[in-house]
Amino acid sequence: AQTVTQSQPEMSVQEAETVTLSCTYDTSESDYYLFWYKQPPSRQMILVIRQEAYKQQNATENRFSVNFQKAAKSFSLKISDSQLGDAAMYFCAYRSLNNNDMRFGAGTRLTVKP
Amino acid sequence: KAGVTQTPRYLIKTRGQQVTLSCSPISGHRSVSWYQQTPGQGLQFLFEYFSETQRNKGNFPGRFSGRQFSNSRSEMNVSTLELGDSALYLCASSSEREGIWELFFGEGSRLTVL
Repeated sequence: AQTVTQSQPEMSVQEAETVTLSCTYDTSESDYYLFWYKQPPSRQMILVIRQEAYKQQNATENRFSVNFQKAAKSFSLKISDSQLGDAAMYFCAYRSLNNNDMRFGAGTRLTVKP
Repeated sequence: KAGVTQTPRYLIKTRGQQVTLSCSPISGHRSVSWYQQTPGQGLQFLFEYFSETQRNKGNFPGRFSGRQFSNSRSEMNVSTLELGDSALYLCASSSEREGIWELFFGEGSRLTVL
């Protein structure tokens, strides 16, 4: 079964600085989706960024970008120019295309310091 | 377009009781999945329904069950509640357009078991 590991339970960053959140996963599949989701305090989970495994190019959404290393099974999230509103729990997730199984990492709590 | 709606948002039950949670997906979405979120276990997949059929199931005891109606609305039921069932229960609906799959979450139903 696929597993997703986020080794950083907590991270903090100064406003306007850059922070990178780590995620590794274990799979024997060659085609899958990877996601980063954001869950602000007491608010619903929203999609930050998505990466299809067959795409070599790293996904980018405004200040959010990923470093997808397929061979290393690594999928880190970089947040540039951090803002106070970026403070949240961030979850890395893997979706199998074989059985639609969705697995989440344990999450990283990001604090943004003014 | 309305988002994923979950009811009730908060509820308190006692051990041994049963509870039913409801989820209305985004209009047009035929897939609904349920997750249990706890501080200790993170996000764990419960089950997924597609067109009224359970398509996928996580590793939870039979006390956890669900169903989906013809209008795609879904309910999950937990019988014989235990203290460890206290959690945030998240519902998500999904769509796939032009090969791009995305999961949309509701705000969750927070269950406290006393």
